[in-house]
Amino acid sequence: AQSVTQLDSHVSVSEGTPVLLRCNYSSSYSPSLFWYVQHPNKGLQLLLKYTSAATLVKGINGFEAEFKKSETSFHLTKPSAHMSDAAEYFCVVSDNNNDMRFGAGTRLTVKP
Amino acid sequence: EPEVTQTPSHQVTQMGQEVILRCVPISNHLYFYWYRQILGQKVEFLVSFYNNEISEKSEIFDDQFSVERPDGSNFTLKIRSTKLEDSAMYFCASSEGWDLKETQYFGPGTRLLVL
Repeated sequence: AQSVTQLDSHVSVSEGTPVLLRCNYSSSYSPSLFWYVQHPNKGLQLLLKYTSAATLVKGINGFEAEFKKSETSFHLTKPSAHMSDAAEYFCVVSDNNNDMRFGAGTRLTVKP
Repeated sequence: EPEVTQTPSHQVTQMGQEVILRCVPISNHLYFYWYRQILGQKVEFLVSFYNNEISEKSEIFDDQFSVERPDGSNFTLKIRSTKLEDSAMYFCASSEGWDLKETQYFGPGTRLLVL
């Protein structure tokens, strides 16, 4: 069965500095991988997804992630953090659309 | 932009009571899902629903849970006799299609507290 490990429960960056949220996955098949973001009192919003096309995936709000099969990783990055990026981020792996496995989440704090 | 909506945002209930959590999926979507997140734990899949029947369900989704699409817009999760351990955030999601390229859109969640 597939699973996801988000390596950091909390990441804190200064505004304007790069963001790196780490995710490693385990899957028996060629997985689909997603990053969702949750702002307080809001639903889970899709940032980007990988579904066996290009390994470097660009998402909304300047985020991108690179699928690295050799490292079983799908880390989320952004060159320059903005205050509005402060939220909870979830890495998700799916072998089929029914069985989406969520990571524990990483809380991103952005300092002025 | 279309959104999945959920009501209520918060619900407090006594152990043993029945609760119904409501969701309005995006209007042209055909596949519907419920997830839950117990405080401090991961988001977990509960059930998926298509064409007025359950497609898949997890081991969490036991006989105390049921889902229904009572009309053309609502999708409900019923918990018949709530237990303390049912306290969680419950998320509804919907998608247009079934395959891996279809994105699931999530609602804001209902926070359920069982006392």
